[in-house]
Amino acid sequence: KNEVEQSPQNLTAQEGEFITINCSYSVGISALHWLQQHPGGGIVSLFMLSSGKKKHGRLIATINIQEKHSSLHITASHPRDSAVYICAVRAPYGGATNKLIFGTGTLLAVQP
Amino acid sequence: DAGVTQSPTHLIKTRGQQVTLRCSPKSGHDTVSWYQQALGQGPQFIFQYYEEEERQRGNFPDRFSGHQFPNYSSELNVNALLLGDSALYLCASSLALGLAGVGVHEQYFGPGTRLTVT
Repeated sequence: KNEVEQSPQNLTAQEGEFITINCSYSVGISALHWLQQHPGGGIVSLFMLSSGKKKHGRLIATINIQEKHSSLHITASHPRDSAVYICAVRAPYGGATNKLIFGTGTLLAVQP
Repeated sequence: DAGVTQSPTHLIKTRGQQVTLRCSPKSGHDTVSWYQQALGQGPQFIFQYYEEEERQRGNFPDRFSGHQFPNYSSELNVNALLLGDSALYLCASSLALGLAGVGVHEQYFGPGTRLTVT
């Protein structure tokens, strides 16, 4: 079982729909990242959060540390949102590692 | 302000050869992490460099080695290439927090180098 699990693996939505991608993890963390990867590989960091909720434009990320769960929401989705969305967690500070552990990603396709 | 840059963007090598990939971190960053992303998979941590030393390492064989230079740029070397080494290699830079570089700020990713081993 992977330490970071995402759902769904694939998601197709119509333009304008509200989208939710979920991430569950099984290890202790100091922070959780939501990343966006477009075809060709480049990764862009969307959010880094360790508690509560963050909002940037049409994107909202929430995290529940007790439940070890995070969600990424996209409001009023647009075809340009089509990409792979990756959840990654960072090991706690002071531990042997503070590397990122990645989920396998959610492939989102938003159709016009 | 230039972000993280990587070179080359694409590379084709033959099994058994050696390859060197390069990464320049975002200005002001001192920590470089390398990740391997196989097709259809999430990135896997290879190792991290801070103060010119390998600080952490993932589950990769010794064929994978690296180096960090005084200007914080970094190289990833892979010896005796295998077909399974074909992947996108991502570099991420960040700024270490506190004494001894414990903990890091948010990581910024480069565009990656796509390595194909034939």
